[in-house]
Amino acid sequence: RKEVEQDPGPFNVPEGATVAFNCTYSNSASQSFFWYRQDCRKEPKLLMSVYSSGNEDGRFTAQLNRASQYISLLIRDSKLSDSATYLCVVNEVRGYNKLIFGAGTRLAVHP
Amino acid sequence: NAGVTQTPKFRVLKTGQSMTLLCAQDMNHEYMYWYRQDPGMGLRLIHYSVGEGTTAKGEVPDGYNVSRLKKQNFLLGLESAAPSQTSVYFCASSRYLAGGANEQFFGPGTRLTVL
Repeated sequence: RKEVEQDPGPFNVPEGATVAFNCTYSNSASQSFFWYRQDCRKEPKLLMSVYSSGNEDGRFTAQLNRASQYISLLIRDSKLSDSATYLCVVNEVRGYNKLIFGAGTRLAVHP
Repeated sequence: NAGVTQTPKFRVLKTGQSMTLLCAQDMNHEYMYWYRQDPGMGLRLIHYSVGEGTTAKGEVPDGYNVSRLKKQNFLLGLESAAPSQTSVYFCASSRYLAGGANEQFFGPGTRLTVL
């Protein structure tokens, strides 16, 4: 079983749609959670951290369910510029800042 | 600030050749990392460094060596390249944060093909 699992997609949605991505992680000792965004042939960049209480940043909402070991990302009012791959990332504190990356979910927003 | 830079951006090697990838960061970060990214897989950690003069193995270290002689630079070496090392290589850096996780900043990547 992969340590961080994501649906690879692609999710093809029209502009203005709401889309949700899910992610599960295997290590219950994981302590920090993130969503990174990676544009085609570019480097990953931090989109947002995920907090236990859930958090929102504009059109983006992230949720964490520790009991189910499940993380989600909701994008409202999708824009063409949201087209990218979204990486679910889990941190395991083992004396250094170790990040475990999911393979990513690809989103394509069309006019 | 340039952030994290990597050289070269592209390289084609023949099996058995050697090369060094250079990563530089100007953010005074303690931690630096080398990852590889292959289709359908998440980024996998090759080696990392928690400070100048220190390095450690990550998830997939075989066939690679690293050095961190200066805080701002992290070198990744391939002594005898193999086709299985065809990949996109990303360098990243982050600040130290006790008991927590810091954002990792990535370089633009190096696309390596081994024939």
